[in-house]
Amino acid sequence: QVQLQESGPGLVKPSETLSLTCDVSGHSISLPYYWGWIRQSPGKGLEWIGSIYWTGITYYNESLRSRLSLSVDTSKNQLSLRLASVVAADSAIYFCARHVGAFLTSFDPWGPGILVTVSS
Amino acid sequence: QSALSQPASVSGSPGQTIIISCTETSNDFGHFESVSWYQQYPGKAPKLLISHVTTRISGVPDRFSGSKAGETAFLTISGLRADDEAAYYCYSFTNTASVFGSGTTVTVL
Repeated sequence: QVQLQESGPGLVKPSETLSLTCDVSGHSISLPYYWGWIRQSPGKGLEWIGSIYWTGITYYNESLRSRLSLSVDTSKNQLSLRLASVVAADSAIYFCARHVGAFLTSFDPWGPGILVTVSS
Repeated sequence: QSALSQPASVSGSPGQTIIISCTETSNDFGHFESVSWYQQYPGKAPKLLISHVTTRISGVPDRFSGSKAGETAFLTISGLRADDEAAYYCYSFTNTASVFGSGTTVTVL
């Protein structure tokens, strides 16, 4: 059974870089799947951040592209997200999830999410 | 503003049938035939209900069904129950990006 778990700091200062990891268990990250990051600001809807193929090919939300970096670490079976120059609007619950089937199709399963607050 | 437009809220009484729409407001979604639907309770991660427009995920009650007409996808919930009260999101993707719908809050009266 595939399980995902996000981890990282719950508080990040403005202008700093947010770094999150997603530990994947029950599934080798080296298998041909896409993996995604999604966030949800308090009281708001879901926003796709970006997705990455197991080989490292990335697809980014255009609104975040200049600040975003996604990577995979096959040795740790882990995904990583780095978002630079954060502002208050980047405060959100961040989820990682696996795309099901081919390309950027539906997400299943999801991690429980991690709340990140950007504040000084 | 999301390129996939949903009504902000839909309500119904227990036992009724409700329909949530998801309309593509741009012409970018060449993969709209792969629309999926998610249910999210407050404080929880979203749960996949329907993939590829009509495919119900294992374990999802058959009260939930998906369909599509032109550039609009639909999630139908029949026999509405109190525990259907949640937020629902559609999702689709292009060759280079993905987007979630604006989300619909379902209220059971």
